[in-house]
Amino acid sequence: QITLKESGPTLVKPTQTLTLTCTFSGFSLSTDGVGVGWIRQPPGKAPEWLALIYWNDDKRYSPSLKSRLTITKDTAKDQVVLTMTNMDPVDTATYYCAHRPYDNIWGSYAFDYWGQGTLVIVSS
Amino acid sequence: DIVMTQSPDSLAVSLGERATINCKSSQTILYTSNKQNYLAWYQQKPGQPPKLLIYWTSTRASGVPDRFSGSGSGTDFTLTISSLQAEDVAVYYCHQFYRTPFTFGPGTRVDIK
Repeated sequence: QITLKESGPTLVKPTQTLTLTCTFSGFSLSTDGVGVGWIRQPPGKAPEWLALIYWNDDKRYSPSLKSRLTITKDTAKDQVVLTMTNMDPVDTATYYCAHRPYDNIWGSYAFDYWGQGTLVIVSS
Repeated sequence: DIVMTQSPDSLAVSLGERATINCKSSQTILYTSNKQNYLAWYQQKPGQPPKLLIYWTSTRASGVPDRFSGSGSGTDFTLTISSLQAEDVAVYYCHQFYRTPFTFGPGTRVDIK
């Protein structure tokens, strides 16, 4: 059974750096094709994709946030870490990590398992 | 970026009746090499993460009731709930995973009439 759980601070001050950890189980990020992504959702709004890391350490970022984001993985610990610099109140949102599966015939597809999310509030 | 739009913003349907949600992408999300449209639908209830309902336009995720179905191709897609149940009250999002940056539609709220 695949599970993911996000952890990190609830309250961050403007200009600070946010570090979030996704700890997962039920799959390995060393399995061909598998990825873990980060998605955030401001209160009452649609989800927004942020970043994605694959089993081979290939990384993808949202172009609008690329300069502020870094995604890394620790395969031995089954963790993925996202850092976001220069936090602003508009970054207030629930941050989710999610599993991106791989089908041997059709390739990668939509995020199928999500963590419960962690609310991050940016305020002085 | 591929922009996803949805209509309507919200709808209210009687129990047992059909609910239809439309989604449009600003460019094709049909991958010609495998003829799959990289379109998914998610259901989100308050305080919960999005739940994957359908991917590749019409493939139901594990455990999803067959009253949920997806259709469409290219840039125009539809999610249909054939017989609305009380537990289907939620916000529904379409999502393209064809190309990064992955994007989501603004959502459609479904309520009981």
